[in-house]
Amino acid sequence: SQQGEEDPQALSIQEGENATMNCSYKTSINNLQWYRQNSGRGLVHLILIRSNEREKHSGRLRVTLDTSKKSSSLLITASRAADTASYFCATRGGTSYGKLTFGQGTILTVHP
Amino acid sequence: ETGVTQSPTHLIKTRGQQVTLRCSSQSGHNTVSWYQQALGQGPQFIFQYYREEENGRGNFPPRFSGLQFPNYSSELNVNALELDDSALYLCASSSGTSGRDEQFFGPGTRLTVL
Repeated sequence: SQQGEEDPQALSIQEGENATMNCSYKTSINNLQWYRQNSGRGLVHLILIRSNEREKHSGRLRVTLDTSKKSSSLLITASRAADTASYFCATRGGTSYGKLTFGQGTILTVHP
Repeated sequence: ETGVTQSPTHLIKTRGQQVTLRCSSQSGHNTVSWYQQALGQGPQFIFQYYREEENGRGNFPPRFSGLQFPNYSSELNVNALELDDSALYLCASSSGTSGRDEQFFGPGTRLTVL
C-alpha cells in the first residue's frame, strides 16, 4: 500500500512558471525524498530532507517539510519543457532497513 | 563511477513461467533494494539485500525471491508468474542500510506477462 497522497495528480503549466507539488504521509519518518521519472523509466533522485529539517534547496528546487502536518512540498522554479516528468515523494520510516514508501506521483507537463 | 544497471530491458513471459531479473549496484554500494511499479502507480518495496542477506521484505508472496552476490550485484526471481506481475521492476543501490543515504535507481526491467 502507498504511504500517502500526492497532490495534484496532474499539473500542466507554461515554461517559466513555477510548479508546486504536495505530498502527505501517514506515519513518522526518518527522511523524505523526491524523485523524478521520465516516461516510465528509472527514478532520478532529486533531493533528500531529513525529519529534523524544515527546508532545503537544490538549484531550482525547493523542498519543505512539516512533520506536524505530515506533509512536504516540492517547488520547481522557472520550469522548463525538460522538467516534464512524473514526480514522486518517498518516505523512509523507522525500520532498520532502508525501505522507501512511495506516493502515487504527480504528472507534470511543462508546455514550451 | 558506474551507475546502477539492470538487465534485460524488456521481457515477455507467459503465465506460470519463471523469470530472473538482474541488477548491478553502483560502485561502492553494498545494499540493493527491489521495487515493483505497476502502470500509473508509485513503486512498491519488494525486499532489500545487504551483504548477501535479505534484511527487509515488503508485502510480496514467497514466489518473489532474491539473491545478492559477493560483488553486491543482485537477482530477483519470480516463480509461477501471474498476469498482475506485469510491471516495471526497479532496483536501487545504496551504501549501508540506515536509510540516511540516497538510493540510486537503475533504468528498470519492463516485464509483461501474457
